Amino acid sequence: QTVVTQEPSFSVSPGGTVTLTCGLSSGSVSTSYYPSWYQQTPGQAPRTLIYSTNTRSSGVPDRFSGSILGNKAALIITGAQAEDESDYYCALYMGSGISVFGGGTKLTVL
Amino acid sequence: EVQLVESGGGLVKPGGSLRLSCAASGFTFSNAWMSWVRQAPGKGLEWVGRIRSKTDGGTTDYAAPVKGRFTISRDDSKNTLYLQMNSLKTEDTAVYYCKGSTDYWGQGTLVTVSS
Repeated sequence: QTVVTQEPSFSVSPGGTVTLTCGLSSGSVSTSYYPSWYQQTPGQAPRTLIYSTNTRSSGVPDRFSGSILGNKAALIITGAQAEDESDYYCALYMGSGISVFGGGTKLTVL
Repeated sequence: EVQLVESGGGLVKPGGSLRLSCAASGFTFSNAWMSWVRQAPGKGLEWVGRIRSKTDGGTTDYAAPVKGRFTISRDDSKNTLYLQMNSLKTEDTAVYYCKGSTDYWGQGTLVTVSS
């Protein structure tokens, strides 16, 4: 069974740039997986940041962007702010109607 | 303003059943593909399943752990999404979120399966 992989944790300095990735335990992520990215702070519902690889959801600041880097999907945060400290999840469409979330990345801004 | 409001969560014994509802407003519900996503306590997000719009066939897909036990349905006349959960297991304990199209999320409802 293919697993969606994410870094368990990451840290970034305020104003810095960070790239979170979303890969597969077997194979490469492409736009055909329609990668999406979600932000969740403790006790809150998730919020959609990016869908279909690089389409920003309504109201999402443009410091958040999505792309394919090498064999993984990527969420790039340019000019990180304190309020970006959250858990970030990616999801991939695996075909046959099935979607799978990654295990999430805990981002610390310090 | 878009709103998704889940209800129907609670405590249920293993083997029992529960039906969750998600009332939608502020967008054209009948055109939206709707999903359920859950999150066990202290764990990550888990995709449960989706239902397509009627114009796209109204078909459903489910994650392997719930296939055959959970059923997603919709009533477009009431702008409401449902999740019928049968043969519940302790590992189904989670906050269940309703998700609309690509952008919209509800606040979630807690389901606890325990004897």
